[in-house]
Amino acid sequence: GENVEQHPSTLSVQEGDSAVIKCTYSDSASNYFPWYKQELGKRPQLIIDIRSNVGEKKDQRIAVTLNKTAKHFSLHITETQPEDSAVYFCAASRGTGGYNKLIFGAGTRLAVHP
Amino acid sequence: SAVISQKPSRDICQRGTSLTIQCQVDSQVTMMFWYRQQPGQSLTLIATANQGSEATYESGFVIDKFPISRPNLTFSTLTVSNMSPEDSSIYLCSSTSGEVGDTQYFGPGTRLTVL
Repeated sequence: GENVEQHPSTLSVQEGDSAVIKCTYSDSASNYFPWYKQELGKRPQLIIDIRSNVGEKKDQRIAVTLNKTAKHFSLHITETQPEDSAVYFCAASRGTGGYNKLIFGAGTRLAVHP
Repeated sequence: SAVISQKPSRDICQRGTSLTIQCQVDSQVTMMFWYRQQPGQSLTLIATANQGSEATYESGFVIDKFPISRPNLTFSTLTVSNMSPEDSSIYLCSSTSGEVGDTQYFGPGTRLTVL
């Protein structure tokens, strides 16, 4: 089955710096890769996703890149702000035939210091 | 995007008892999922619930322990049976329309503490 590894487990940056979180997946059939942000006591919220026919996607300060050959994808946050502090999860899914189960990475706890 | 609610939001239960968690979606969805998130950990899929068929359980989870119902396209329940303190966790449901690569949204979770 699919296995998703996520690094680093914790990340501490100064406000305004960039943050990068990396994930690798094992199942070459995976074709959908979302990123979720989870604040303390809250539900996971989708912040960006990418499908396997795209190499990069950007939404304001957030971008995701995908390297299908190497089976890894990364989340990039630029100009970090204290409100970016949260736990971030990557996930992978085959998404075929309507079977969209997500396999999650272990999570990265991001702390942005003012 | 789908709006998902769960009941109860939290509960404290005695070992050996069972708790049923309800998940309601504001629109018809093909697939609903149940996850467990232990304190400080990631999300682990328990099972996939499709309307009109038996739930599909992931390795390490069995129907006798986590029976699931999916009576229609907007509702599902997860029961945590014969609870022990190890079942203390947050249980989340999610849904998707089932289209390829469709976004999956999560409910607010049910925080369960077993004494």
